[in-house]
Amino acid sequence: QKEVEQDPGPLSVPEGAIVSLNCTYSNSAFQYFMWYRQYSRKGPELLMYTYSSGNKEDGRFTAQVDKSSKYISLFIRDSQPSDSATYLCAMSVSGNTPLVFGKGTRLSVIA
Amino acid sequence: DAGVTQSPTHLIKTRGQQVTLRCSPKSGHDTVSWYQQALGQGPQFIFQYYEEEERQRGNFPDRFSGHQFPNYSSELNVNALLLGDSALYLCASTKGGSDTQYFGPGTRLTVL
Repeated sequence: QKEVEQDPGPLSVPEGAIVSLNCTYSNSAFQYFMWYRQYSRKGPELLMYTYSSGNKEDGRFTAQVDKSSKYISLFIRDSQPSDSATYLCAMSVSGNTPLVFGKGTRLSVIA
Repeated sequence: DAGVTQSPTHLIKTRGQQVTLRCSPKSGHDTVSWYQQALGQGPQFIFQYYEEEERQRGNFPDRFSGHQFPNYSSELNVNALLLGDSALYLCASTKGGSDTQYFGPGTRLTVL
C-alpha cells in the first residue's frame, strides 16, 4: 500500500461545476497537508496548505482534512477552463521534512 | 521577488553519461530539496540541503549526489545515467523550519 493514494482520473467537468478531489493516506504521523496545481510541463504551484484537521477556504478553493479517516479533500467552486491542470496532494510529518505526494489527478474543465 | 529558478530547462543525455542540474532558491530561503517526477507520477523526494550539508535523503542510489553553495543555490548530479532517470527534476526551497515548500519550473531530462 502506498503512503498516499490519489485517483489519477482523468476527471472532466463542465465550466461552473463544483469539483471534488481527494486523497487518502496511511501514515498517521502526517500533520501538514498541501494541494499543488501543476500545469503541463511546469513545476507544482502551492494552492492550499492546512495544518492538522479542519477546513480552510481561499476564494473558490476549500481544503478539508479529516485525520480520523486519513482523508483530505480539495473543492473547487465555479470551476473555470483555466483550472484545467493536474492537482497533487502532498503531506509531511513536520516542517522541513520531505513532502510525500499522491500521483496527481488530471482535471479538465470544459467551456 | 524572483521565485525558484532552475537550469537548464531541457537536457538530453545518453546512457552512462553524467549530468548536473542547478537551482537557485527563492529570495530569503536557505533550504533546498530536490524531487524526481516521472511521467504520470507525483514527485519523489531525492534529498534536502541545509547549511551546505545533506540533511535528509530519500530512497535514491548513490549515483544521485548534490551540493549546496554558500549563497544557498544547489546542484544535483547524476552519474552513470540510466534510461529510467528520464524525468522532470524539481527543486523546492523553503526558509529554515518553515513547512511551505515552493517549487521551480523543473528541468526535463531525457536519457537516450
